[in-house]
Amino acid sequence: VMTQTPFSLSVTPGQPASISCKSSQSLLQSDGKTFLHWYLQKPGQSPQLLIYEVSNRFSGVPDRFSGSGSGTDFTLQISRVEAEDVGVYYCGQSINLLTFGGGTKVEIK
Amino acid sequence: EVELLESGGGLVQPGGSLRLSCAASGFTFNNCAMTWVRQAPGKGLEWVSAIVGSGTRTYYTDSVKGRFTISRDTSKNTLFLQMNSLRVDDTAVYFCAKDVLCSSSWHGGIDSWGQGTLVTVSS
Repeated sequence: VMTQTPFSLSVTPGQPASISCKSSQSLLQSDGKTFLHWYLQKPGQSPQLLIYEVSNRFSGVPDRFSGSGSGTDFTLQISRVEAEDVGVYYCGQSINLLTFGGGTKVEIK
Repeated sequence: EVELLESGGGLVQPGGSLRLSCAASGFTFNNCAMTWVRQAPGKGLEWVSAIVGSGTRTYYTDSVKGRFTISRDTSKNTLFLQMNSLRVDDTAVYFCAKDVLCSSSWHGGIDSWGQGTLVTVSS
């Protein structure tokens, strides 16, 4: 089970934001890789990959997005939120099949 | 540029069948595991099924085991999802998706998503 908090977030542009994702099991594989990923689904769009394996920013993703954590506890941080960052953020684990968190809706104040 | 184009969705009665297709381009299809993810109206993302690049291993979420079958045709760069015994709670937009790190196994991180195809199960 993947548990995301908060359920929703209202952020002033230029301010930081943080989303937590906790797994009921360790996502660390024996080869040292950790299968925790972050996605953003903007309104009316398909999801897009932000971060894979905890902290690897996907191609084209702005460096204001960063991921951290280990084992069962993970965090997505946005250093300075911009208007284009609105949407629902999902974490996902793929060490044991694939499960997504419930999502965190981010809106701009 | 990676493109994934789903088709085959529609309205079907409970107990009916549909076959979804996903035409892939812009990458070496037979090197990459592929995944189906669905999203019920107003809800979050739910993983449905995955298949490795060779097609030799498949994975399903419990709620669709025995009813859905994932497959791929490498000669046509196309992914399929055969859905039988459909239920009202299968109603969702179904996304076709590609692994972020293509290899012989299934990674599960997804770097490309199609636009989705809507499946509505209703009498």
